[in-house]
Amino acid sequence: DAKTTQPNSMESNEEEPVHLPCNHSTISGTDYIHWYRQLPSQGPEYVIHGLTSNVNNRMASLAIAEDRKSSTLILHRATLRDAAVYYCILRDDRGSTLGRLYFGRGTQLTVWP
Amino acid sequence: DGGITQSPKYLFRKEGQNVTLSCEQNLNHDAMYWYRQDPGQGLRLIYYSQIVNDFQKGDIAEGYSVSREKKESFPLTVTSAQKNPTAFYLCASSMTPLRSETQYFGPGTRLLVL
Repeated sequence: DAKTTQPNSMESNEEEPVHLPCNHSTISGTDYIHWYRQLPSQGPEYVIHGLTSNVNNRMASLAIAEDRKSSTLILHRATLRDAAVYYCILRDDRGSTLGRLYFGRGTQLTVWP
Repeated sequence: DGGITQSPKYLFRKEGQNVTLSCEQNLNHDAMYWYRQDPGQGLRLIYYSQIVNDFQKGDIAEGYSVSREKKESFPLTVTSAQKNPTAFYLCASSMTPLRSETQYFGPGTRLLVL
């Protein structure tokens, strides 16, 4: 399974932008970069995903480095509701890994009012 | 209102007992998954199914069994062979198992051993 590295925790103040980094130096050309987040005692929630180009949606933006060895999830204005564990995940379709999500420990984001 | 439902929210198991966790989806998704989460850890894949009447073992399948007789349903049985079943169990589904597809998760079932 392709590995990702994320900081254990980060903090932000409400209404400030948050940049959550993820390193994936062993990424292959066919791996998609997915981000999910999980609130306490709930199932993970999809945030965003991309392959090569930067992506935007109503929740966040995903900035992907030109060499694809790192990416950054950007929350433009953090709210208290954004406090969660954020997981950066690589997905591919090769053989037995089809469909699998490999979750690490993620980054615990704390948002202060 | 489309989504994934899991029941029950909390489940208690006695020693030596088999218990079954329910997972139902009305999203018309082909692929379904079961994950286990221990405190402070990420999710680990137990079983997954790419299509009806087919399923494969994930990374920690020992002590668990599944069936996929209907597209909407993917129940997980925790057998007495699973020696440490206390965990948070999450079911998910996706339109297809392809790498570009989003997985949608249910609210989870917390299993506790008495």
